[in-house]
Amino acid sequence: GENVEQHPSTLSVQEGDSAVIKCTYSDSASNYFPWYKQELGKRPQLIIDIRSNVGEKKDQRIAVTLNKTAKHFSLHITETQPEDSAVYFCAAMYSGGGADGLTFGKGTHLIIQP
Amino acid sequence: KAGVTQTPRYLIKTRGQQVTLSCSPISGHRSVSWYQQTPGQGLQFLFEYFSETQRNKGNFPGRFSGRQFSNSRSEMNVSTLELGDSALYLCASSTQPGREAFFGQGTRLTVV
Repeated sequence: GENVEQHPSTLSVQEGDSAVIKCTYSDSASNYFPWYKQELGKRPQLIIDIRSNVGEKKDQRIAVTLNKTAKHFSLHITETQPEDSAVYFCAAMYSGGGADGLTFGKGTHLIIQP
Repeated sequence: KAGVTQTPRYLIKTRGQQVTLSCSPISGHRSVSWYQQTPGQGLQFLFEYFSETQRNKGNFPGRFSGRQFSNSRSEMNVSTLELGDSALYLCASSTQPGREAFFGQGTRLTVV
Protein backbone atom coordinates (compact mmCIF):
# COMPACT_ATOMS: atom_id res chain seq x y z
CA GLY A 1 0.00 0.00 0.00
CA GLU A 2 0.86 3.68 -0.10
CA ASN A 3 3.21 5.23 2.47
CA VAL A 4 3.57 8.99 2.97
CA GLU A 5 6.45 10.56 4.87
CA GLN A 6 6.13 14.19 6.03
CA HIS A 7 8.84 16.55 7.30
CA PRO A 8 9.42 18.39 9.50
CA SER A 9 7.18 17.34 12.37
CA THR A 10 7.44 20.84 13.87
CA LEU A 11 8.24 24.07 12.07
CA SER A 12 8.62 27.44 13.76
CA VAL A 13 8.89 30.56 11.60
CA GLN A 14 8.76 34.29 12.17
CA GLU A 15 5.59 36.05 11.13
CA GLY A 16 6.01 37.27 7.58
CA ASP A 17 8.55 34.60 6.64
CA SER A 18 7.86 31.63 4.38
CA ALA A 19 7.22 28.05 5.47
CA VAL A 20 7.83 24.88 3.47
CA ILE A 21 6.55 21.42 4.35
CA LYS A 22 7.72 18.40 2.37
CA CYS A 23 6.19 15.00 1.71
CA THR A 24 7.27 11.91 -0.14
CA TYR A 25 5.08 9.03 -1.29
CA SER A 26 5.87 5.49 -2.26
CA ASP A 27 3.19 4.37 -4.72
CA SER A 28 3.81 5.68 -8.24
CA ALA A 29 0.13 5.06 -9.03
CA SER A 30 -0.95 7.85 -6.67
CA ASN A 31 -2.25 10.80 -8.66
CA TYR A 32 -4.06 13.06 -6.20
CA PHE A 33 -2.29 15.02 -3.46
CA PRO A 34 -4.34 17.21 -1.08
CA TRP A 35 -3.17 19.27 1.87
CA TYR A 36 -5.26 19.76 5.00
CA LYS A 37 -4.98 22.27 7.82
CA GLN A 38 -6.25 21.27 11.24
CA GLU A 39 -6.54 23.77 14.05
CA LEU A 40 -6.78 22.53 17.61
CA GLY A 41 -10.13 20.88 18.23
CA LYS A 42 -11.36 21.46 14.70
CA ARG A 43 -11.90 19.40 11.58
CA PRO A 44 -9.20 18.97 8.91
CA GLN A 45 -9.81 21.64 6.30
CA LEU A 46 -8.81 21.15 2.66
CA ILE A 47 -6.60 24.09 1.73
CA ILE A 48 -5.13 23.10 -1.63
CA ASP A 49 -4.67 20.02 -3.77
CA ILE A 50 -2.83 18.98 -6.89
CA ARG A 51 -3.23 16.21 -9.43
CA SER A 52 -0.41 14.40 -11.15
CA ASN A 53 -0.94 16.10 -14.51
CA VAL A 54 0.12 19.44 -12.98
CA GLY A 55 3.51 20.40 -11.53
CA GLU A 56 2.50 23.43 -9.48
CA LYS A 57 -0.66 25.10 -8.21
CA LYS A 58 -1.04 28.38 -6.37
CA ASP A 59 -3.83 29.97 -4.36
CA GLN A 60 -2.95 33.38 -2.93
CA ARG A 61 -0.25 32.78 -0.29
CA ILE A 62 -0.31 29.01 -0.62
CA ALA A 63 1.33 26.92 -3.34
CA VAL A 64 1.92 23.23 -3.86
CA THR A 65 4.58 21.68 -6.07
CA LEU A 66 4.76 18.09 -7.30
CA ASN A 67 7.74 16.14 -8.61
CA LYS A 68 6.36 12.84 -9.90
CA THR A 69 9.76 11.45 -10.82
CA ALA A 70 11.10 11.91 -7.31
CA LYS A 71 7.68 11.23 -5.71
CA HIS A 72 7.91 14.47 -3.74
CA PHE A 73 5.35 17.18 -3.14
CA SER A 74 5.62 20.29 -1.02
CA LEU A 75 3.45 22.99 0.52
CA HIS A 76 4.73 26.55 0.43
CA ILE A 77 3.17 29.31 2.55
CA THR A 78 4.45 32.83 1.98
CA GLU A 79 4.05 35.92 4.21
CA THR A 80 2.97 33.76 7.14
CA GLN A 81 0.40 35.14 9.56
CA PRO A 82 -0.61 34.13 13.10
CA GLU A 83 -3.74 32.42 11.77
CA ASP A 84 -1.52 30.05 9.77
CA SER A 85 -0.55 28.34 13.05
CA ALA A 86 -2.00 24.81 12.89
CA VAL A 87 -1.13 21.21 12.07
CA TYR A 88 -0.79 20.57 8.33
CA PHE A 89 -1.27 17.14 6.79
CA CYS A 90 -0.30 16.00 3.34
CA ALA A 91 -2.01 13.03 1.74
CA ALA A 92 -1.81 10.87 -1.36
CA MET A 93 -4.30 8.72 -3.19
CA TYR A 94 -4.95 6.94 -6.44
CA SER A 95 -8.23 8.45 -7.55
CA GLY A 96 -9.13 5.81 -10.12
CA GLY A 97 -11.03 2.57 -9.62
CA GLY A 98 -10.18 0.60 -6.53
CA ALA A 99 -8.92 3.64 -4.63
CA ASP A 100 -7.89 2.89 -1.06
CA GLY A 101 -8.72 6.23 0.45
CA LEU A 102 -6.32 8.96 1.44
CA THR A 103 -2.99 7.99 3.00
CA PHE A 104 -1.87 10.79 5.30
CA GLY A 105 1.50 11.96 6.50
CA LYS A 106 2.00 12.29 10.27
CA GLY A 107 1.49 16.04 10.20
CA THR A 108 3.58 19.20 10.67
CA HIS A 109 2.90 21.52 13.57
CA LEU A 110 3.46 25.00 12.16
CA ILE A 111 4.13 27.69 14.74
CA ILE A 112 4.14 31.33 13.68
CA GLN A 113 6.26 33.44 16.04
CA PRO A 114 5.11 37.07 16.42
CA LYS B 1 -24.82 24.61 1.80
CA ALA B 2 -24.51 22.68 5.05
CA GLY B 3 -21.24 20.92 5.70
CA VAL B 4 -20.59 17.35 6.77
CA THR B 5 -22.41 16.60 10.01
CA GLN B 6 -21.36 13.92 12.46
CA THR B 7 -23.27 12.79 15.50
CA PRO B 8 -22.74 12.49 18.32
CA ARG B 9 -19.80 14.79 18.96
CA TYR B 10 -18.67 12.96 22.08
CA LEU B 11 -19.17 9.43 23.38
CA ILE B 12 -17.95 7.54 26.42
CA LYS B 13 -18.29 3.77 26.30
CA THR B 14 -17.14 0.83 28.36
CA ARG B 15 -14.87 -1.93 27.09
CA GLY B 16 -16.86 -4.68 25.41
CA GLN B 17 -19.73 -2.44 24.39
CA GLN B 18 -20.55 -1.47 20.84
CA VAL B 19 -21.06 1.95 19.33
CA THR B 20 -22.65 3.44 16.22
CA LEU B 21 -21.54 6.76 14.75
CA SER B 22 -23.43 8.72 12.13
CA CYS B 23 -22.34 10.92 9.24
CA SER B 24 -24.50 13.09 6.98
CA PRO B 25 -22.57 14.20 3.89
CA ILE B 26 -22.80 17.49 2.06
CA SER B 27 -25.95 17.61 -0.04
CA GLY B 28 -25.27 16.05 -3.42
CA HIS B 29 -22.21 14.14 -2.24
CA ARG B 30 -22.53 10.39 -2.69
CA SER B 31 -19.20 9.18 -1.37
CA VAL B 32 -18.45 8.91 2.35
CA SER B 33 -15.13 7.85 3.84
CA TRP B 34 -14.28 7.20 7.47
CA TYR B 35 -10.95 7.86 9.20
CA GLN B 36 -9.58 7.24 12.67
CA GLN B 37 -7.34 9.93 14.15
CA THR B 38 -5.09 9.21 17.14
CA PRO B 39 -1.98 11.01 18.43
CA GLY B 40 0.18 7.95 17.82
CA GLN B 41 -1.06 6.68 14.46
CA GLY B 42 -2.34 9.92 12.93
CA LEU B 43 -5.11 9.76 10.36
CA GLN B 44 -5.88 6.26 9.13
CA PHE B 45 -8.37 5.19 6.49
CA LEU B 46 -11.16 2.91 7.69
CA PHE B 47 -13.47 2.46 4.70
CA GLU B 48 -15.28 4.21 1.89
CA TYR B 49 -18.86 3.93 0.72
CA PHE B 50 -20.33 5.00 -2.59
CA SER B 51 -23.87 4.33 -3.77
CA GLU B 52 -24.52 2.18 -0.70
CA THR B 53 -21.56 -0.12 -1.49
CA GLN B 54 -18.31 -0.43 0.40
CA ARG B 55 -15.60 0.22 -2.15
CA ASN B 56 -12.58 -0.55 -0.05
CA LYS B 57 -11.43 -0.97 3.52
CA GLY B 58 -8.33 -0.04 5.44
CA ASN B 59 -6.29 -2.26 7.71
CA PHE B 60 -8.70 -2.51 10.63
CA PRO B 61 -10.21 -5.59 12.28
CA GLY B 62 -13.65 -6.87 11.43
CA ARG B 63 -15.03 -5.22 14.57
CA PHE B 64 -15.14 -2.05 12.50
CA SER B 65 -17.98 -2.01 10.01
CA GLY B 66 -20.17 0.48 8.26
CA ARG B 67 -22.99 1.03 5.86
CA GLN B 68 -24.48 3.69 3.66
CA PHE B 69 -28.12 4.46 3.11
CA SER B 70 -29.92 5.49 -0.05
CA ASN B 71 -29.77 9.16 1.01
CA SER B 72 -25.95 8.83 1.24
CA ARG B 73 -25.91 9.09 5.03
CA SER B 74 -23.46 6.66 6.54
CA GLU B 75 -22.98 4.91 9.83
CA MET B 76 -20.01 3.11 11.24
CA ASN B 77 -20.17 0.54 13.99
CA VAL B 78 -17.49 -0.71 16.32
CA SER B 79 -18.27 -3.85 18.29
CA THR B 80 -16.54 -5.25 21.38
CA LEU B 81 -14.84 -1.97 22.12
CA GLU B 82 -11.23 -1.96 23.30
CA LEU B 83 -9.34 0.79 25.11
CA GLY B 84 -7.26 1.31 21.96
CA ASP B 85 -10.37 2.28 20.02
CA SER B 86 -10.40 5.62 21.82
CA ALA B 87 -9.93 8.15 19.04
CA LEU B 88 -11.45 10.92 16.97
CA TYR B 89 -13.51 9.36 14.19
CA LEU B 90 -13.83 11.57 11.15
CA CYS B 91 -15.96 11.16 8.11
CA ALA B 92 -15.38 12.91 4.82
CA SER B 93 -17.73 13.37 1.91
CA SER B 94 -17.01 13.74 -1.80
CA THR B 95 -19.17 14.05 -4.87
CA GLN B 96 -17.67 10.73 -5.95
CA PRO B 97 -14.60 8.62 -5.10
CA GLY B 98 -11.31 10.29 -5.92
CA ARG B 99 -12.67 13.82 -5.70
CA GLU B 100 -12.03 16.52 -3.08
CA ALA B 101 -12.96 15.28 0.37
CA PHE B 102 -14.47 17.51 3.05
CA PHE B 103 -14.38 16.45 6.67
CA GLY B 104 -16.93 16.62 9.43
CA GLN B 105 -16.13 17.76 12.98
CA GLY B 106 -15.66 14.21 14.11
CA THR B 107 -16.91 12.06 16.96
CA ARG B 108 -14.61 11.83 19.96
CA LEU B 109 -14.92 8.28 21.32
CA THR B 110 -13.49 7.45 24.71
CA VAL B 111 -13.44 3.83 25.84
CA VAL B 112 -13.03 3.26 29.58
